[in-house]
Amino acid sequence: TQLLEQSPQFLSIQEGENLTVYCNSSSVFSSLQWYRQEPGEGPVLLVTVVTGGEVKKLKRLTFQFGDARKDSSLHITAAQPGDTGLYLCAMKGSGTYKYIFGTGTRLKVLA
Amino acid sequence: NADVMQNPRHLVRRRGQEARLRCSPMKGHSHVYWYRQLPEEGLKFMVYLQKENIIDESGMPKERFSAEFPKEGPSILRIQQVVRGDSAAYFCASSPIVTSGRGSSYNEQFFGPGTRLTVL
Repeated sequence: TQLLEQSPQFLSIQEGENLTVYCNSSSVFSSLQWYRQEPGEGPVLLVTVVTGGEVKKLKRLTFQFGDARKDSSLHITAAQPGDTGLYLCAMKGSGTYKYIFGTGTRLKVLA
Repeated sequence: NADVMQNPRHLVRRRGQEARLRCSPMKGHSHVYWYRQLPEEGLKFMVYLQKENIIDESGMPKERFSAEFPKEGPSILRIQQVVRGDSAAYFCASSPIVTSGRGSSYNEQFFGPGTRLTVL
């Protein structure tokens, strides 16, 4: 059974602080996606990374795909209350269309 | 992702009844995923469909659950004889297939707002 673990599970920080959340697996995947989900809504795609070692930036968010294609991190600079939400990573294996979602990191940014 | 429609948004059923969940993908998308999410948990893959074709149903329970995506109309997830354990949020995701520069493919998933099923 493929498992995708995210850490930390919960994170509560003050506005303006920086944070990093992690996504780890024992299996190699061909692509990885990060999503943010707000209560009562569906997840919204933030980024897709496909190359080991790839780094992508989206405003204050920096996403990295590990060299071995088994892990990823999301770094948020100067967090804002609008960043509050559930952050999910999702990985896809080669030769399959199936996505495995992580356990999620629930972030709360306090004003 | 307002263009991905799911209805109903909330559905209440008594044990033993049938639940039908509908998903209308974004215009031009011919692939649909269905996921189930329990409170405080991540999403669990159920099924991946193309129009008129089930590609991967490895996440579907073997009994009572079925899914279809006809040539015309929405994709439907059907749960027969519902039990309390079926209570969850069910999300569909609409997808094109994107080919990266390295030749590999991946699916960008655009999620609908979900259907929250409550079984009494």
